[in-house]
Amino acid sequence: GAGVSQSPSNKVTEKGKDVELRCDPISGHTALYWYRQRLGQGLEFLIYFQGNSAPDKSGLPSDRFSAERTGESVSTLTIQRTQQEDSAVYLCASSKPGQGNTIYFGEGSWLTVV
Amino acid sequence: KQEVTQIPAALSVPEGENLVLNCSFTDSAIYNLQWFRQDPGKGLTSLLLIQSSQREQTSGRLNASLDKSSGRSTLYIAASQPGDSATYLCAVRDPTGGAQKLVFGQGTRLTINP
Repeated sequence: GAGVSQSPSNKVTEKGKDVELRCDPISGHTALYWYRQRLGQGLEFLIYFQGNSAPDKSGLPSDRFSAERTGESVSTLTIQRTQQEDSAVYLCASSKPGQGNTIYFGEGSWLTVV
Repeated sequence: KQEVTQIPAALSVPEGENLVLNCSFTDSAIYNLQWFRQDPGKGLTSLLLIQSSQREQTSGRLNASLDKSSGRSTLYIAASQPGDSATYLCAVRDPTGGAQKLVFGQGTRLTINP
């Protein structure tokens, strides 16, 4: 597709359940990022993938959060045993490699934990 | 640790006015600075990317400037329109986070009144 695609666009889940969020980056973009934005808050970095390098997981808030990436395409962000404070929009972004390139964001996956 | 501040937090102006949004960052050793727009319930749309070696970038009615030494960027919007109403975010890419993380400001919520 032309842009970063995320699914589901909206998810309501019960506290304690696991959720999986998916991101399809722009074709040819080897760098992939996950950010979280809580209501009324700024963006928080979660994790970064670049090609076959080890991902930078330094932003993951707890061991309930994990992410995988298949080669240089699809990524999934998994949240286990969801808590109400996990309610947020999870934004995926991609870019070509290198610091000088524009980063493009998807529409986000809006997660509500009830 | 890099910190990004945007002032004002909110701005409301009548249609047709020219306006300036401000962004400041604490560590001038950045690779680039990117301005985004976020509409309610949507992801981020990239507006302009300024490399550290550049002073400004223009796209249509938008002009972004960068003064790296003073840690400042401005986004100038000419002849504002109601469709410009959105939250505007600036983000810097710098070495402290390994260059892969964007550090975001909290945003300026802009309302253009018809």
